[in-house]
Amino acid sequence: AQSVTQLGSHVSVSEGALVLLRCNYSSSVPPYLFWYVQYPNQGLQLLLKYTTGATLVKGINGFEAEFKKSETSFHLTKPSAHMSDAAEYFCAVTSRTGRRALTFGSGTRLQVQP
Amino acid sequence: SQTIHQWPATLVQPVGSPLSLECTVEGTSNPNLYWYRQAAGRGLQLLFYSVGIGQISSEVPQNLSASRPQDRQFILSSKKLLLSDSGFYLCAWDRANSGNTIYFGEGSWLTVV
Repeated sequence: AQSVTQLGSHVSVSEGALVLLRCNYSSSVPPYLFWYVQYPNQGLQLLLKYTTGATLVKGINGFEAEFKKSETSFHLTKPSAHMSDAAEYFCAVTSRTGRRALTFGSGTRLQVQP
Repeated sequence: SQTIHQWPATLVQPVGSPLSLECTVEGTSNPNLYWYRQAAGRGLQLLFYSVGIGQISSEVPQNLSASRPQDRQFILSSKKLLLSDSGFYLCAWDRANSGNTIYFGEGSWLTVV
């Protein structure tokens, strides 16, 4: 069975500071990995995903994430936070075979202070 | 291009009343379809998924049911709502190939009073 752990339900950074949102997964085989963002009262929007190939993945809005198999991690980063980045971020995994449904982490709410 | 529509966007229902949330996908055929629930302050929980018409898999025992009467239509229902059914419900779809992105609808806020 797969699981996802997001460390820190709330993260607060200053505008212009580095954003680091942590995600660790548990899976018998390396899964596909995703980061989604949810703005208030909206659905989820894909930020980036890792399926195969280069382990550093670049997404929208300046975000990137690195798949580290040895650490079973897929942390999300952005060099410089913007006020518009304030939202909830979800890490998710899905199996490379079999059932396709995403398993989500519990989410991290990012606050950006002026 | 593909789009996903979900409605109603918000609803307030009394305990014991029925529920019907609808979701349709346009611009693709034979999608995988999903219903997720997001309770306040919690992550997303998969409720149901479907790989084809009439094929529904339930992830957790609950007061809800799902149906897929047409290829691109997915309906979430309840005969009698409970207070604990309150939450944000998200419909989603993806193509039937592993590794593709799952796309979400805008969500439906359900408040059971």
